[in-house]
Amino acid sequence: DAGITQSPRHKVTETGTPVTLRCHQTENHRYMYWYRQDPGHGLRLIHYSYGVKDTDKGEVSDGYSVSRSKTEDFLLTLESATSSQTSVYFCAISDYGTRQLGSEQYFGPGTRLTVT
Amino acid sequence: TQLLEQSPQFLSIQEGENLTVYCNSSSVFSSLQWYRQEPGEGPVLLVTVVTGGEVKKLKRLTFQFGDARKDSSLHITAAQPGDTGLYLCAGHKTGANNLFFGTGTRLTVIP
Repeated sequence: DAGITQSPRHKVTETGTPVTLRCHQTENHRYMYWYRQDPGHGLRLIHYSYGVKDTDKGEVSDGYSVSRSKTEDFLLTLESATSSQTSVYFCAISDYGTRQLGSEQYFGPGTRLTVT
Repeated sequence: TQLLEQSPQFLSIQEGENLTVYCNSSSVFSSLQWYRQEPGEGPVLLVTVVTGGEVKKLKRLTFQFGDARKDSSLHITAAQPGDTGLYLCAGHKTGANNLFFGTGTRLTVIP
C-alpha cells in the first residue's frame, strides 16, 4: 500500500468554524490531490498540487484553500465550514500528473467531515 | 452535470452470476481508468485503457474501451463475494489536469 495517511479520520464541527485536514505521504510523489465524495456525484476534485508551493483549483474549489510547504504534506482548509461541505474527503498522490496516460493515483483512507 | 454516468447505480447478484457495468459519456477521453473502493477505504486502481476498442482482462474481470473513446464497460464473470464494492470509472480529457470520476456502481455479491 502507498504510504498515505489522513488526519483526522473523523471530525464533527459547527457551521462557521475553520477546519484543516491533513494529508501526509511517504512516497515522495510530486502530485497531490484533494477530492470530496458525495452520493450520486462520485469523486470531485477540489484542489491539486504539482510541487511544493504549486497548487491549482479543481472543479469544486469554492470555500476551500490548500497549502503545500513540504513535499510530504498537503493541507486542505475550510475557512468557514458550511453544511454543504459535509462529505468524505480523500487525498490522492501520483508520480505523474494526469496528462501522462495511465498515471495511477493512490488514495488515502479518507476523512469523514460532518458540519452541523 | 456529471461528465461520466455509470449504470446501474446499484447491483445485487448471487455468487456465480455474470454482470456488466457501464460507463458512458458524450465526451471523448484520452484514457479511462476503473477503480474499486471498499467501505472505509480509498479507491484502488484496477486497470487503465488508452486505445479505442481496447480490451483488457484481469482474471475474471474484462474491461473494454469504446471505439470512439466515449464509453467503457466492466464485465465480471462468475462473481464472488470478494468482488463486492463500489466500482468507479475515471476519465482523462486531453488538456485537463484532473481525472473526471463517474457516479459509481455499488455491487453486492450474495454468497
